[in-house]
Amino acid sequence: KQEVTQIPAALSVPEGENLVLNCSFTDSAIYNLQWFRQDPGKGLTSLLLIQSSQREQTSGRLNASLDKSSGRSTLYIAASQPGDSATYLCAATGNQFYFGTGTSLTVIP
Amino acid sequence: GAVVSQHPSWVICKSGTSVKIECRSLDFQATTMFWYRQFPKQSLMLMATSNEGSKATYEQGVEKDKFLINHASLTLSTLTVTSAHPEDSSFYICSATPGTDTGELFFGEGSRLTVL
Repeated sequence: KQEVTQIPAALSVPEGENLVLNCSFTDSAIYNLQWFRQDPGKGLTSLLLIQSSQREQTSGRLNASLDKSSGRSTLYIAASQPGDSATYLCAATGNQFYFGTGTSLTVIP
Repeated sequence: GAVVSQHPSWVICKSGTSVKIECRSLDFQATTMFWYRQFPKQSLMLMATSNEGSKATYEQGVEKDKFLINHASLTLSTLTVTSAHPEDSSFYICSATPGTDTGELFFGEGSRLTVL
């Protein structure tokens, strides 16, 4: 069974810093990997989706990479802002969608 | 991106009553929808996979008689929590995929259920 792990579980950084969130998965036979953001009491907002044939995707200040062979994906956030504070979840898609436990990010003004 | 809408966003009910939560895909047809439950500060727990026109597939440990799922059309799935008890209080989220090559998943805003 696919297991998805996210490290760190929580992260606190000063505004303006660049940061990296990590996602690892045990089964490399994935269809795609998707990064989401969840604000407290809200649903999930899709940030980036990387198909299995791709290595990375970029949207604004966000860049996500995928290395299937090592079972890793990273989400890079450039020039962090207080509005980036949220929980970030990754999901690996195989026969099902497998979610990581999330990284709670706090950006301090 | 595609839009998935959930209703209600917040519901409070008395113990023993039943509550229905709707999940609609507003601008695409979803042959498959998913229902999750989320406890505070925890990740999503998949409850069931809902397929249009057929019975839902429930995850191990999820009571199908308690959490009734109906996917009667390509744009609507409903989750009914029957005879709700305080331990059913949780955040319920649905998601749907248009079934395109990317397999991208879109989520509703979630429904907060509080059972008194």
